[in-house]
Amino acid sequence: IAGITQAPTSQILAAGRRMTLRCTQDMRHNAMYWYRQDLGLGLRLIHYSNTAGTTGKGEVPDGYSVSRANTDDFPLTLASAVPSQTSVYFCASSSGLAGSNEQFFGPGTRLTVL
Amino acid sequence: RKEVEQDPGPFNVPEGATVAFNCTYSNSASQSFFWYRQDCRKEPKLLMSVYSSGNEDGRFTAQLNRASQYISLLIRDSKLSDSATYLCVVGLNTGGFKTIFGAGTRLFVKA
Repeated sequence: IAGITQAPTSQILAAGRRMTLRCTQDMRHNAMYWYRQDLGLGLRLIHYSNTAGTTGKGEVPDGYSVSRANTDDFPLTLASAVPSQTSVYFCASSSGLAGSNEQFFGPGTRLTVL
Repeated sequence: RKEVEQDPGPFNVPEGATVAFNCTYSNSASQSFFWYRQDCRKEPKLLMSVYSSGNEDGRFTAQLNRASQYISLLIRDSKLSDSATYLCVVGLNTGGFKTIFGAGTRLFVKA
């Protein structure tokens, strides 16, 4: 049982390029989330999904999009990367409604935009 | 004012010490409360949920005071392995879901 996986582990990207961060969970959790973590700011919610087919905006959604075609996958896309999107990105999932229960996190993706 | 504020730290304590972390939140509609632990360059992991009645798990005790909008975490008999960053987390749903993480408090336990 893998839990929740993310890919790639790290990536260096030129500004203006499109990038999709992948996230897959095998726990059949309803809710999934994307966060970014920057030094001194803690984790900030980008987007979330309560169930397959639905998504919602978090605290810092601009420049990012998500989709939830099925229960297991929740990819995060940067349509045109900018240097301010350099960060560590964590995907997470939880049972029940978003925010109500323990969230399980993936190992993170370290993204550098030059 | 940040929606979730924590002691800035870092806390440097000797093994065996008792250490307390404090956290305040600004939105009275907050519904769920947690403490997470994050090791350096790793993902956060749940330490414990926090309930109004308070809860204890071994050396760890969490308290919630809804009237004061305050959450605490007490670690007794600190171990070297307790060295990490402790994140206070608040969840609320007011027509749209929000999970808000505090910036974290770094703990160093020394021999």
